[in-house]
Amino acid sequence: EAQVTQNPRYLITVTGKKLTVTCSQNMNHEYMSWYRQDPGLGLRQIYYSMNVEVTDKGDVPEGYKVSRKEKRNFPLILESPSPNQTSLYFCASRAGSSSYNEQFFGPGTRLTVL
Amino acid sequence: SQKIEQNSEALNIQEGKTATLTCNYTNYSPAYLQWYRQDPGRGPVFLLLIRENEKEKRKERLKVTFDTTLKQSLFHITASQPADSATYLCALKASGGSYIPTFGRGTSLIVHP
Repeated sequence: EAQVTQNPRYLITVTGKKLTVTCSQNMNHEYMSWYRQDPGLGLRQIYYSMNVEVTDKGDVPEGYKVSRKEKRNFPLILESPSPNQTSLYFCASRAGSSSYNEQFFGPGTRLTVL
Repeated sequence: SQKIEQNSEALNIQEGKTATLTCNYTNYSPAYLQWYRQDPGRGPVFLLLIRENEKEKRKERLKVTFDTTLKQSLFHITASQPADSATYLCALKASGGSYIPTFGRGTSLIVHP
């Protein structure tokens, strides 16, 4: 089944404790991205990647890092999480270089930073 | 500044009626607009894309219109069913500029049996 998977689905952590949220897609998509979704603010893009070893900032990149060493994986790293990073996070992927292609979203990771 | 606006109030309708959701935008020169469905606690699911030079797109019970003069897209669900209850997001991609479409905040649709 074509899908985007994220792990963990739920995470409660404390301020300053480094964490990684994994994202993997099995559709051989070139493009992958991370979003956060907050009440009243909608989906905002954190980082995106056009292909392996090519990443760029989205609208809200502060406090996050990403890497794209393999085509299928795009982990999101929070080096020193803070409470304002409590949010619902989605990974998405898309085929090819055309932005007209639909994005496939993962199931989400609900992160709480205490 | 650029804005994408969707009605923050939930739309309540009776089963069988047509639901119409609105997406307005300002200060964009659009390339296309997408509509997504999102169920609680789940990721958005792509529904339809309409290009700036298209007036209307249909897919089964769904219809999207795009009026670049009014700077507005309408999303219609005909013969609505309780299973259509969800939040619907529009996402607009500007021509040139950012490679990424920007999402609206979404409108919740509740279809009552």
